[in-house]
Amino acid sequence: KAGVTQTPRYLIKTRGQQVTLSCSPISGHRSVSWYQQTPGQGLQFLFEYFSETQRNKGNFPGRFSGRQFSNSRSEMNVSTLELGDSALYLCASSFAAQGGDTQYFGPGTRLTVL
Amino acid sequence: GEDVEQSLFLSVREGDSSVINCTYTDSSSTYLYWYKQEPGAGLQLLTYIFSNMDMKQDQRLTVLLNKKDKHLSLRIADTQTGDSAIYFCADRRSTGGGNKLTFGTGTQLKVEL
Repeated sequence: KAGVTQTPRYLIKTRGQQVTLSCSPISGHRSVSWYQQTPGQGLQFLFEYFSETQRNKGNFPGRFSGRQFSNSRSEMNVSTLELGDSALYLCASSFAAQGGDTQYFGPGTRLTVL
Repeated sequence: GEDVEQSLFLSVREGDSSVINCTYTDSSSTYLYWYKQEPGAGLQLLTYIFSNMDMKQDQRLTVLLNKKDKHLSLRIADTQTGDSAIYFCADRRSTGGGNKLTFGTGTQLKVEL
């Protein structure tokens, strides 16, 4: 099986712009979670989607949003980018019918905000 | 609290055993995970343990869990230079379903010849 894929791998944006990141889960996996990784804050949970519904949400401002499509692919969007949004954004998928199944991570999208 | 704590650095010689430690605070943690991250890469799942287990062994990896002290460790036997990476422990809490993982700060393992 192919692993979790994320596109694009690298992205450079300027402050005030918006960005959309994409994640394709492992075939058959229905849950997709997003995490932000920065040197200062480490790995922080953004949100989780299951069957096109947001099931869990971390403590991030409303500028961070996401969605999931019927094929389980997910996108996350960050609007009005700030310098502090520069990070590695990681997506993870799991089978997770009841929640709590093992999560497998993609390679991440490296976002740089100038 | 939601803290998961790890020491920041560990240096070992090739062929020795490495022990990476982690403490967590939430008693509702159900599964605990170890992930490995190499430079420029995502997180690779190494192993996991259910909270009602004390130990799990998987080839060169041994996970020990002391639930009373909320202490988790990962032992890597016969450490190789390819094991140099950052290791994260993470716990999953029982929050009515859902997949939120809380990660530690990561331990950078350096393997020297």
